[in-house]
Amino acid sequence: GENVEQHPSTLSVQEGDSAVIKCTYSDSASNYFPWYKQELGKRPQLIIDIRSNVGEKKDQRIAVTLNKTAKHFSLHITETQPEDSAVYFCAASNSGYSTLTFGKGTMLLVSP
Amino acid sequence: EAQVTQNPRYLITVTGKKLTVTCSQNMNHEYMSWYRQDPGLGLRQIYYSMNVEVTDKGDVPEGYKVSRKEKRNFPLILESPSPNQTSLYFCASREGQNYNSPLHFGNGTRLTVT
Repeated sequence: GENVEQHPSTLSVQEGDSAVIKCTYSDSASNYFPWYKQELGKRPQLIIDIRSNVGEKKDQRIAVTLNKTAKHFSLHITETQPEDSAVYFCAASNSGYSTLTFGKGTMLLVSP
Repeated sequence: EAQVTQNPRYLITVTGKKLTVTCSQNMNHEYMSWYRQDPGLGLRQIYYSMNVEVTDKGDVPEGYKVSRKEKRNFPLILESPSPNQTSLYFCASREGQNYNSPLHFGNGTRLTVT
């Protein structure tokens, strides 16, 4: 099955800095890569996703890049704000699987 | 409002006492799933269901049962809970035919087994 590794496990930045979270996956057939944000005490919610026919996708201050050759994808947050503080999960799946495989999560702390 | 509803939000029980955590969705989703979340381990899938009467094991199914008698409901059953099942549990659903559609999570159930 799929295996997703996520780094770093914790990330502390100053408000206004950029943050980058990286994930690698093992199954070359994976072709869907979502990112979920989980605020403290709340449920995970989808913030952005990318499919394998696209190399980069942006939505305001967040962007995701995908390198299929290297089997890794990254989440980029620019101009971080305290409300970006949360746990972020990457995930991967493909049409052959009925499930998403999640990374272990990254706790992002943005200090004012 | 489209949502996934889990109950209860908090549950404290003792070893061996059977319990059920309910999950219901109002989005007519074919696919439903249960995850457990533990510190440092992320979200691990317990069981999933592609449609009514169709269930399959995820990565950590031992000690759990599920059923899918109706499309909207997907209860998680712990026949004989043990302390290692103390965890935060999430139910989730998505459109069944579209594997890359977003997962919608419930608010979670924090279970403590003493």
